[in-house]
Amino acid sequence: DIVLTQSPGTLSLSPGERATLSCRASQSISSAYLAWYQQKPGQAPRLLLFGASSRATGIPDRFSGSGSRTDFTLTINRLEPEDFAVYYCQHFGSSPRVTFGQGTKLEI
Amino acid sequence: QVTLRESGPALVKPTETLTLTCSFSGFSLSTSGMSVSWVRQPPGKALEWLALIHWDDDKDYSTSLKTRLTISKDTSNNQVVLTMTNMDPVDTATYYCARMGGWGTDGMDVWGQGTTVTVSS
Repeated sequence: DIVLTQSPGTLSLSPGERATLSCRASQSISSAYLAWYQQKPGQAPRLLLFGASSRATGIPDRFSGSGSRTDFTLTINRLEPEDFAVYYCQHFGSSPRVTFGQGTKLEI
Repeated sequence: QVTLRESGPALVKPTETLTLTCSFSGFSLSTSGMSVSWVRQPPGKALEWLALIHWDDDKDYSTSLKTRLTISKDTSNNQVVLTMTNMDPVDTATYYCARMGGWGTDGMDVWGQGTTVTVSS
């Protein structure tokens, strides 16, 4: 089974800074099936990126994604106050069909 | 506009069976490549994928929970139903349904608001 490990568990930054979040897969995966989500307290997750680097509708361009095989990165440039949230990576594969990482909390 | 909405009991007793319904609009689950997933989140914890049903009625389940889960769809009524048997207090969580298109390449682009289920006697 594929396991997604996110790091760090918590990232403390200030508005205006750049955040770099990591998602590491236990085996090589296709970037086409790697997505990133943002979740704020009391809200459902929101899709940020799909295909590792394609922004979902309405997502500002300060959010970007990269990576391949086992290492993927979500970068958030020029942090805004509303960006402080929990971020999850997710893979769509064969077995299990869907896997989530454990999340990274981005805090001020 | 694509929307999904979860419904079901807020409280279930241990050993009971939970039945949740995801009612959706704005898309068809008959469309090739479309699927709907159920995802849960215990209080203060991470997202956990539970089950997925594809446009062609193929079904996938979490390895650890598959003996307890059944997912089905009613395409004509735009609903997806999840049943989970033998509920336990550790199953207390917010349960979400979400749409995924593109044979999994599009990510879960629309989510319901979630429904909170508490398991307690």
